[in-house]
Amino acid sequence: QSVLTQPPSASGTPGQRVTISCSGSNSNIGSDYVYWYQQVPGTAPKVLIYRDYKRPSGVPDRFSGSKSGTSGSLAISGLRSEDEADYYCASWDSLSGLVFGGGTKLTVL
Amino acid sequence: EELVESGGGLVKAGGSLRLSCAASGFTFSNAWMTWVRQAPGKGLEWVARIRPNIPDGGITEYAVPVKGRFFISRDDSRKTLYLQMNSLKSDDSAFYYCAALSWGYLGQGTLVTVSS
Repeated sequence: QSVLTQPPSASGTPGQRVTISCSGSNSNIGSDYVYWYQQVPGTAPKVLIYRDYKRPSGVPDRFSGSKSGTSGSLAISGLRSEDEADYYCASWDSLSGLVFGGGTKLTVL
Repeated sequence: EELVESGGGLVKAGGSLRLSCAASGFTFSNAWMTWVRQAPGKGLEWVARIRPNIPDGGITEYAVPVKGRFFISRDDSRKTLYLQMNSLKSDDSAFYYCAALSWGYLGQGTLVTVSS
């Protein structure tokens, strides 16, 4: 059971906009930043979003992050086949340290 | 900007291993540094975090499963993060990644395999 709650799956067609949610609580997202990772099976995770909405260099601006209260969201616009991967959210929790969501498997139809 | 981990390998249960993470391209001494791990087929799991020496005195925090066995440290002069892992168990087998989350950096990982 993950501390942060994500939908197990999401899907979209090429060119579409997809949003993945991440629900937490006052002890994590409500009081600290949200981070988003992308992981293609068999490869190392990659940071997509840090500090709620910032993108590391090299991450396309098709990826955007936002936060409201105790929930964060990752939006992917102009969906591409190479975006098919697992997406995880994370946040620092005042009691448990860095906590993660269970992951969302994105399928590009 | 990058983080490069090293030091992983095969070790017997009860043994020790020290991981290193070489940082470049950002002000390492100001960064809160973190180790996370991922066992095969599992999700990411936080391991430990260390604050900057100045002004936070290098305070360390540990996840419950590793507390008392793992020790995180830093050498700002070498821009290197360490993870000393003692009394290793089979459950500790995983890829270990270092991260500077406030900068959005995550290394490529080093594999630790603990044989029983």
